[in-house]
Amino acid sequence: GENVEQHPSTLSVQEGDSAVIKCTYSDSASNYFPWYKQELGKRPQLIIDIRSNVGEKKDQRIAVTLNKTAKHFSLHITETQPEDSAVYFCAAYYSFGNEKLTFGTGTRLTIIP
Amino acid sequence: DAGVTQSPTHLIKTRGQQVTLRCSPKSGHDTVSWYQQALGQGPQFIFQYYEEEERQRGNFPDRFSGHQFPNYSSELNVNALLLGDSALYLCASSLDGGGAQPQHFGDGTRLSIL
Repeated sequence: GENVEQHPSTLSVQEGDSAVIKCTYSDSASNYFPWYKQELGKRPQLIIDIRSNVGEKKDQRIAVTLNKTAKHFSLHITETQPEDSAVYFCAAYYSFGNEKLTFGTGTRLTIIP
Repeated sequence: DAGVTQSPTHLIKTRGQQVTLRCSPKSGHDTVSWYQQALGQGPQFIFQYYEEEERQRGNFPDRFSGHQFPNYSSELNVNALLLGDSALYLCASSLDGGGAQPQHFGDGTRLSIL
């Protein structure tokens, strides 16, 4: 089955700097890669997603890149703000056979004012 | 536009008991997926319901079962509860469109087993 690894597990950056979170997936048949933000005690919130036919997608301060050959995808947050502090999860959707969304183990991002 | 709603918010049970969790999908969505999120971990896929049938299933025992109703709402049932079943149970809804579709989560039900 699909396996998603996420790094780092914790990340602290100064306010205004950029943050990068990286994920790798195991199955080349995966074709959809969403990112979720989960604040303490709240629901995971979809912040951006990318499909396998696209290499990069951007939404204001957030961008996601996908390297299908290396089976890597990354979340980039620029000009970080205190409200960006949360746990971020990447996920990969395997679409052949047992279709399901597999999540990474999460990255706790802390923005230092 | 109502988002995904789940009930109850919190639940305390003892080992061996049975529990039912409920989920109403986001307006316009017809597919419901259930996840288990242990503390400090990512959500783990339990199963997905579409057209009132279980369409996909993750690596969870038969003690975990579900149902989807004609109005697309769903229930998750867990029998013979174990201490290890303590977790946040999340429901996510999406619109079936063939292939992967964005999933929107509810606030979850925090289940504690004593």
